[in-house]
Amino acid sequence: SQKIEQNSEALNIQEGKTATLTCNYTNYSPAYLQWYRQDPGRGPVFLLLIRENEKEKRKERLKVTFDTTLKQSLFHITASQPADSATYLCASSYNNNDMRFGAGTRLTVKP
Amino acid sequence: GAVVSQHPSRVICKSGTSVKIECRSLDFQATTMFWYRQFPKQSLMLMATSNEGSKATYEQGVEKDKFLINHASLTLSTLTVTSAHPEDSSFYICSATDYSYNEQFFGPGTRLTVL
Repeated sequence: SQKIEQNSEALNIQEGKTATLTCNYTNYSPAYLQWYRQDPGRGPVFLLLIRENEKEKRKERLKVTFDTTLKQSLFHITASQPADSATYLCASSYNNNDMRFGAGTRLTVKP
Repeated sequence: GAVVSQHPSRVICKSGTSVKIECRSLDFQATTMFWYRQFPKQSLMLMATSNEGSKATYEQGVEKDKFLINHASLTLSTLTVTSAHPEDSSFYICSATDYSYNEQFFGPGTRLTVL
């Protein structure tokens, strides 16, 4: 069956370090991978989208990679801050009408 | 960016009553809206997809007679939880998009508690 998985339920890092979150998919080939941030009791907020023909995408302190050989996306936050603490969701899709979400990784950045 | 609102943000109701949740796209016309449900510490589970002016498409296992979805205009979709029971207590989130976007824009969510 088609799956999208975020291996770590939680990640704790020290302020200033780089946080790296992993998303793996199996048994299908999505056209896009997207990353969202979700704060407690709130809806997800879109961060970045990367297409299958793109290896890397950056936005300010965020970087996303898409490795179709490993069937994996990595999400990096450089120079992390306590305000970056949240749950980060990856989502895969063929188009905008078929999005599958991972369970999320709860990131805690400690001062 | 595109903004989606939901109302109410929280609702508490008695078992057996019906609850309506509204989802509005505020600054764009949403040809497609989605309804998700999220249980604590779990991911978003798609319940249904609705296109303006047509019947919603429900995911497997979601009862269409229990979760009524109406997408009557390009800026409004409603989800009605009929005869709610405690097991329907959850966080309900809508999202909206149109063909010009690659991403979905999510509302802030509605916390439903059924007593």
